[in-house]
Amino acid sequence: SQQGEEDPQALSIQEGENATMNCSYKTSINNLQWYRQNSGRGLVHLILIRSNEREKHSGRLRVTLDTSKKSSSLLITASRAADTASYFCATAERGYLFFGTGTRLTVIP
Amino acid sequence: DVKVTQSSRYLVKRTGEKVFLECVQDMDHENMFWYRQDPGLGLRLIYFSYDVKMKEKGDIPEGYSVSREKKERFSLILESASTNQTSMYLCASSFDNQPQHFGDGTRLSIL
Repeated sequence: SQQGEEDPQALSIQEGENATMNCSYKTSINNLQWYRQNSGRGLVHLILIRSNEREKHSGRLRVTLDTSKKSSSLLITASRAADTASYFCATAERGYLFFGTGTRLTVIP
Repeated sequence: DVKVTQSSRYLVKRTGEKVFLECVQDMDHENMFWYRQDPGLGLRLIYFSYDVKMKEKGDIPEGYSVSREKKERFSLILESASTNQTSMYLCASSFDNQPQHFGDGTRLSIL
């Protein structure tokens, strides 16, 4: 049973623009995590936001969490071609993670 | 840096074969996980283990079993491979409730 649902499924932007991806989930969570996956590789953890936090920053990444709406967003500022990847949100529940289907981001040089 | 190593990047097997996928982590993590990833379905948890010889079913355990005889190694077993098990298999490990560290995956084709 998947928790997260990312939106949009695919996003294409020019280098230097900002990219925003959204995630909605269904039940109460302990935390929400964002991961990145380059083509043909494993997932890499980007950032974790706890249920009592509203916003978190890490370099060019900004994550928000709205537990009343059961949604989160990931903002990548000043995008680079190297940011091209799939991005997944994952919610922590019952000791393991539920992943969404991901947003495929393409950054055009 | 944590390293999670999956024994094969690509594997081709025939239907009915018994298939072993191996995963080793080098950070003494208690928790280890096996996922499969299919287009449009995201990652789905097959099994996880929170200690040696302990295992828990995930969302899609049917057709699979696991083995964890040593803390660093978690094996996924396809008892009798079928074509609908063609997929990307990802192993991950974590400490306590910390973020998971993933291997690079095994792309398995069942002919």
